Amino acid sequence: GQNIDQPTEMTATEGAIVQINCTYQTSGFNGLFWYQQHAGEAPTFLSYNVLDGLEEKGRFSSFLSRSKGYSYLLLKELQMKDSASYLCAAMDSNYQLIWGAGTKLIIKP
Amino acid sequence: GAVVSQHPSRVICKSGTSVKIECRSLDFQATTMFWYRQFPKQSLMLMATSNEGSKATYEQGVEKDKFLINHASLTLSTLTVTSAHPEDSSFYICSARDSTSGDTDTQYFGPGTRLTVL
Repeated sequence: GQNIDQPTEMTATEGAIVQINCTYQTSGFNGLFWYQQHAGEAPTFLSYNVLDGLEEKGRFSSFLSRSKGYSYLLLKELQMKDSASYLCAAMDSNYQLIWGAGTKLIIKP
Repeated sequence: GAVVSQHPSRVICKSGTSVKIECRSLDFQATTMFWYRQFPKQSLMLMATSNEGSKATYEQGVEKDKFLINHASLTLSTLTVTSAHPEDSSFYICSARDSTSGDTDTQYFGPGTRLTVL
């Protein structure tokens, strides 16, 4: 079957670094997405990885290892506004999205 | 865990025809479902909020007569794209909230429906 796992909740301190992991099993693979979702709002696109390696975009970076079925989202210099849910979604060979349940990130002062 | 399905997964239609997309919550009840549209590598754009037993709430700029939403039961919402045109080609994603859960923030997302209008 197809599935995605990510931690349910994480807590970090303002100014620190946090890494949110995501492991996936899919029938074929056409890339992995990370979204940020604040309560009551639509998910905001953060990154898309289809090749192995690290992609950096400002304070956010995303890493993918296709052989390990593993990705992580790295958030640096955490700000209070980064408190949100972070969704990991993998696209299978039929271009269907398999969604993780989301990781609720709590930032403390 | 909570599962949301969509049918069909992909559809190709001719310009001017109507297409219906179904969104089902398989193991929970959902009084509220959401319909999104996604362009490649872009954020999900909320189109409308579907409420069971009442009219949908559409976001600004979304034509309610073109994108008909029906939420007739606690497990099913449908989006009908009427008189589809090539510019309606997109990836449509639905999500649902578990009505019985105390968590009012978590949405469970469907796998998406890829619509191509020729």
